[in-house]
Amino acid sequence: GQNIDQPTEMTATEGAIVQINCTYQTSGFNGLFWYQQHAGEAPTFLSYNVLDGLEEKGRFSSFLSRSKGYIYLLLKELQMKDSASYLCALDSNYQLIWGAGTKLIIKP
Amino acid sequence: DAGITQSPRHKVTETGTPVTLRCHQTENHRYMYWYRQDPGHGLRLIHYSYGVKDTDKGEVSDGYSVSRSKTEDFLLTLESATSSQTSVYFCAISESPSGTTRVYNEQFFGPGTRLTVL
Repeated sequence: GQNIDQPTEMTATEGAIVQINCTYQTSGFNGLFWYQQHAGEAPTFLSYNVLDGLEEKGRFSSFLSRSKGYIYLLLKELQMKDSASYLCALDSNYQLIWGAGTKLIIKP
Repeated sequence: DAGITQSPRHKVTETGTPVTLRCHQTENHRYMYWYRQDPGHGLRLIHYSYGVKDTDKGEVSDGYSVSRSKTEDFLLTLESATSSQTSVYFCAISESPSGTTRVYNEQFFGPGTRLTVL
């Protein structure tokens, strides 16, 4: 199977940095996505990693290590609007395989 | 934003009744997907389509059927709704299938349909 694990919930402080980890147990995939989903809304695309290393996009970065079986999402200078769920997904064989998501709570 | 709409947005129905959810796109994307989202499970693929009249099963297809008679419309039918099918249903579209090229092909999601089966 293609198990994907992420923490269920994390809490961080406005202005701080938070790292959300996603681990997986498969080698057969093209790349990994991160999506953001605000409560009651649809998921929206954040980033995609196919090669090992860092992909940066403004306050958000994502880092993939295929040899260690993980990807993480790094959010800097946290804002209240970053309170949302963050979904990791494997891009594999005509489908996306989704993790259960990490609910991020931002406190003032 | 990608032009994807879902109807209805909310529906309450009774066990045993048939239900059809509609996904409509204006992007002319070839690939369309139906997911359900439940707490603790993330998004799970029900069925997907790779062209008009071309569909395939996903991870949780039992109890669901789909049809795609036009590029822009993808219908999800629950032949006889059960309480276990209470969920939020999302439609998604993409230009190309996932996992087939080195360039990512993100999926764009509709606003979702909240279905309650009593």
